[in-house]
Amino acid sequence: QVQLQESGPGLVRPSETLSLTCSVSGASLNSDKYYWSWIRQSPGKGLEWIGYVYYNGNSNHNPSLRSRVIISRDTSKNQFSLMLSSVTAADTAVYYCARESRVVGRAYYFDYWGQGALVAVSS
Amino acid sequence: DIQMTQSPSSLSASVGDRVIITCRASQNIRSYLDWYQQKPGQAPKLLIYAASTLQSGVPSRFSGSGSGTDFTLTISSLQPEDFATYYCQQSFSTPYTFGQGTKLEIK
Repeated sequence: QVQLQESGPGLVRPSETLSLTCSVSGASLNSDKYYWSWIRQSPGKGLEWIGYVYYNGNSNHNPSLRSRVIISRDTSKNQFSLMLSSVTAADTAVYYCARESRVVGRAYYFDYWGQGALVAVSS
Repeated sequence: DIQMTQSPSSLSASVGDRVIITCRASQNIRSYLDWYQQKPGQAPKLLIYAASTLQSGVPSRFSGSGSGTDFTLTISSLQPEDFATYYCQQSFSTPYTFGQGTKLEIK
């Protein structure tokens, strides 16, 4: 059974860096079958894909977040992480980690999600 | 970015009703379209991927169709547990984008 679990501070000060970790069980981050994503949900912007990291460390992120995002993975711990710098109140959201599965040339989809972590940006 | 537009934004229906939710993409996304169900306080749950493939374990009353820019999610006979918010999402190109959601409420 694949499970993902987010962890990290629930409150971040404006201009500081938001850091979250996703711990994965039941699947290996060393597998080339999957991409590991961060997605957030806020009342104002709905669901927003933040980016993903691949088993080899390659990553891709939403250009809307400019260069504020770093997504990395630690295969020895089977975890991947999100760092979002220079946060503002607009970054207040529930942050989900998710596994993206792919059927090459046909389908990409998020088949497993963490329960979500609420992060508030406030002084 | 590819814009995803769902309609309606909200919908009232009764148990046993047939419900159709539509999703339109701002450009051709072939069949790279997924549907999710979200209940309050929970993460989204994958229902359908590649426009029409039912995810394992999802009841057969859910079905999806479409390709290109126009897609539909159909629930053939609403059950009490189906009252939730539904989202479409394009996986054709990054940044992946979601529709704004359709809230399905009990009439």
